[in-house]
Amino acid sequence: SQTIHQWPATLVQPVGSPLSLECTVEGTSNPNLYWYRQAAGRGLQLLFYSVGIGQISSEVPQNLSASRPQDRQFILSSKKLLLSDSGFYLCAWSNRGRETQYFGPGTRLLVL
Amino acid sequence: GENVEQHPSTLSVQEGDSAVIKCTYSDSASNYFPWYKQELGKGPQLIIDIRSNVGEKKDQRIAVTLNKTAKHFSLHITETQPEDSAVYFCAGGTGFQKLVFGTGTRLLVSP
Repeated sequence: SQTIHQWPATLVQPVGSPLSLECTVEGTSNPNLYWYRQAAGRGLQLLFYSVGIGQISSEVPQNLSASRPQDRQFILSSKKLLLSDSGFYLCAWSNRGRETQYFGPGTRLLVL
Repeated sequence: GENVEQHPSTLSVQEGDSAVIKCTYSDSASNYFPWYKQELGKGPQLIIDIRSNVGEKKDQRIAVTLNKTAKHFSLHITETQPEDSAVYFCAGGTGFQKLVFGTGTRLLVSP
């Protein structure tokens, strides 16, 4: 069966510091991968998606970037965090050619 | 692009009652509509989905209906239980890359 991992689970960072959140998927090959952000009490906003290694599509201009160095690894980064980057970050995957997305447990980021 | 609206934002029911959450979408090309349940501090979990070639789908106490003409779809939960309390999200999309999510409904089931 497939599983998706995210770490860290919680992160508190000062404004201006760098960020690296990691997501890995097990039990599948060539998945589509997604990064979402969820502000408190809000819906899910798609940030990036990837259909393959090194292929990243950005949905919203922002202070963040994404990379996919390996087939089942997806990384969300920032060089300098802003207060507005606080939120709950969710990674998701789907099988190639299928619509259903499955979410990871999320990372709660607080920028102070 | 697609826009998905979800109502109500909060729904309180008594245990055993039914709960209905409604969503509308704007893009007539959208053909896939999943529903997710999110418990506090956790990632959303898929509970049911429907594709545009089907009008209704049922899984035990949960059902989803889709009206393509009116561009709306609904989640129906019967015989609600306290463990159904969570935030529910609808979503809509086309193709295999993008889903647009509603803003969520907080369901509270009181014993």
